Amino acid sequence: DVVLTQTPPTLSATIGQSVSISCRSSQSLLHSNGNTYLHWLLQRPGQSPQLLIYSVSRLESGVPNRFSGSGSGTDFTLKISGVEAEDLGVYYCVQGTHAPPLTFGSGTKLEIK
Amino acid sequence: EVQLVESGGGLVQPGRSLKLSCVASGFTFSNYGMNWIRQAPGKGLEWVAYISSGSSYIYYAETVKGRFTISRDNAKNTLYLQMTSLRSEDTALYYCARHWKYTTDWWGQGVMVTVSS
Repeated sequence: DVVLTQTPPTLSATIGQSVSISCRSSQSLLHSNGNTYLHWLLQRPGQSPQLLIYSVSRLESGVPNRFSGSGSGTDFTLKISGVEAEDLGVYYCVQGTHAPPLTFGSGTKLEIK
Repeated sequence: EVQLVESGGGLVQPGRSLKLSCVASGFTFSNYGMNWIRQAPGKGLEWVAYISSGSSYIYYAETVKGRFTISRDNAKNTLYLQMTSLRSEDTALYYCARHWKYTTDWWGQGVMVTVSS
């Protein structure tokens, strides 16, 4: 199974600061159809996970454009340009290229200073 | 609005069985594959099982294969997870989640399953 390694495990940011989260895959996530199925989820405290970004860089409907995703192959990044208080929670990368199984990163907890 | 509402969780002894349900609304349930995903207390996310829209394709995590059965009733807009031979390591919050573009786009609120004597 594909292993996704997320760093850092925790992140502390002030309001307005820009932060990045890395997700590295144990194998390329380029699908044979030419797409890359690496996605990002946010789980706010006490809530279910929600989809933020799909297919590396596509923003899910309703997600603020301060969130952006980039990367290719095995290295991917989620960037928040100007953290807001509502952004606190745990961020997970998830891959669907080599599903089943869907596999998730171990999560990055974003705290607000 | 898409809604997924799980039920059927609870406290169960090791070795016993439990059946979870997930009722869907706000979208055409029969058009989407569905997943069960779980989260042990204080831990990350673990995919458990997937069923395609017409039940033709079914997959399980190795940790539950042979013990859990995913199924669906499209007439009732309901997804199920039959869990047998439960172990302490199955203790988790179980989510149903809609499958979309090789990921999940909508999740339920989750239902807690605790396996303990």
